[in-house]
Amino acid sequence: GENVEQHPSTLSVQEGDSAVIKCTYSDSASNYFPWYKQELGKGPQLIIDIRSNVGEKKDQRIAVTLNKTAKHFSLHITETQPEDSAVYFCAASLNSGGYQKVTFGTGTKLQVIP
Amino acid sequence: EAGVTQSPTHLIKTRGQQATLRCSPISGHTSVYWYQQALGLGLQFLLWYDEGEERNRGNFPPRFSGRQFPNYSSELNVNALELEDSALYLCASSTGGRSEAFFGQGTRLTVV
Repeated sequence: GENVEQHPSTLSVQEGDSAVIKCTYSDSASNYFPWYKQELGKGPQLIIDIRSNVGEKKDQRIAVTLNKTAKHFSLHITETQPEDSAVYFCAASLNSGGYQKVTFGTGTKLQVIP
Repeated sequence: EAGVTQSPTHLIKTRGQQATLRCSPISGHTSVYWYQQALGLGLQFLLWYDEGEERNRGNFPPRFSGRQFPNYSSELNVNALELEDSALYLCASSTGGRSEAFFGQGTRLTVV
């Protein structure tokens, strides 16, 4: 089955700096890669996603890149702010027998230091 | 539009008891995923239901079970509770034909 690895497990950055979280996946059939942000006491919220036919996608301070050949994708947060502090999860999704199967990474705890 | 709703938000049980957690997916979503998130750890996949059928199961013992009802809501049952079952249990839903999964706020299960 699909295996998603996520690094680093914890990340501390100064406010205003950039943060990068990297994930690799094992199944080349995966075709959808969402990123989730989980704030303390809440469920994960979808913040950005990318499909396998796209190499990069941006949404304001957040961007995601995908390298299908190397089977890795990354989340980039620029100009970090204290409210970016949260746990971030990557995921890889593939169509299995007509159904989308989602596999999550283990999460990255991001701390933005004011 | 209402999001994924889970109940109860908090649940305290004694070791050996049974717990039942409930999830209502977003209207129109047919797939429901259950995850366990122990303190400080990532999301561990439990179960996946779609169209009333169990599609996949994570590496958990049989005392973790569930079902999906005709209205696509779902229950997660945990029998013979153990202390290490204490965790946040998250439910997510998606449509069969789309990829995005949306999470509920979770049920915090504490086993004492």
